Amino acid sequence: DTGVSQDPRHKITKRGQNVTFRCDPISEHNRLYWYRQTLGQGPEFLTYFQNEAQLEKSRLLSDRFSAERPKGSFSTLEIQRTEQGDSAMYLCASSLMYPGPGLVTGELFFGEGSRLTVL
Amino acid sequence: GNSVTQMEGPVTLSEEAFLTINCTYTATGYPSLFWYVQYPGEGLQLLLKATKADDKGSNKGFEATYRKETTSFHLEKGSVQVSDSAVYFCALNPGYSTLTFGKGTMLLVSP
Repeated sequence: DTGVSQDPRHKITKRGQNVTFRCDPISEHNRLYWYRQTLGQGPEFLTYFQNEAQLEKSRLLSDRFSAERPKGSFSTLEIQRTEQGDSAMYLCASSLMYPGPGLVTGELFFGEGSRLTVL
Repeated sequence: GNSVTQMEGPVTLSEEAFLTINCTYTATGYPSLFWYVQYPGEGLQLLLKATKADDKGSNKGFEATYRKETTSFHLEKGSVQVSDSAVYFCALNPGYSTLTFGKGTMLLVSP
């Protein structure tokens, strides 16, 4: 399967601990996105990368959050000093900067998500 | 700013009923519009898309038409199945940024 993969799928942690999520995008995709989804809400944009450059960050991405994509391939999202309000599904998606045949700009391919529960 | 408003759910239908899920948007310029679907326990999947006014996106019996005059992109299906039970998200991309999603509408189809 060459889709977007995320790890771990589930993470339970205690308040104050640090957690890290990993995302492996579709191999030829040069853009990678992180979203957060809470119960009953749509996905909310956090940040995105074009290759290794982080081009946009949402106001939702507080200073406890950091995302990296060091070699322009996989990405990590780290949350430091977790709070109960950080409990959510963290979604990763990838896309091509220039869509190929049949695709449109902004058409994202999502992973299954990493669910974080902070106790 | 950009925003998407969807009808609140859950929408509860019997099998073979007609489905409409309303979606309206606010955006600058000419965004691309999308419907994504999230089946229980699975990730978001693109259902259909449209890139300009009067385009009709379609897939798996679902359709939506890009209506610029009413800033809408309503999702329809003529005859729903139990397997269509899922959460449906309307989304837009203005072309210079990333996707903005609505809150989602849960569809429950009973036999």
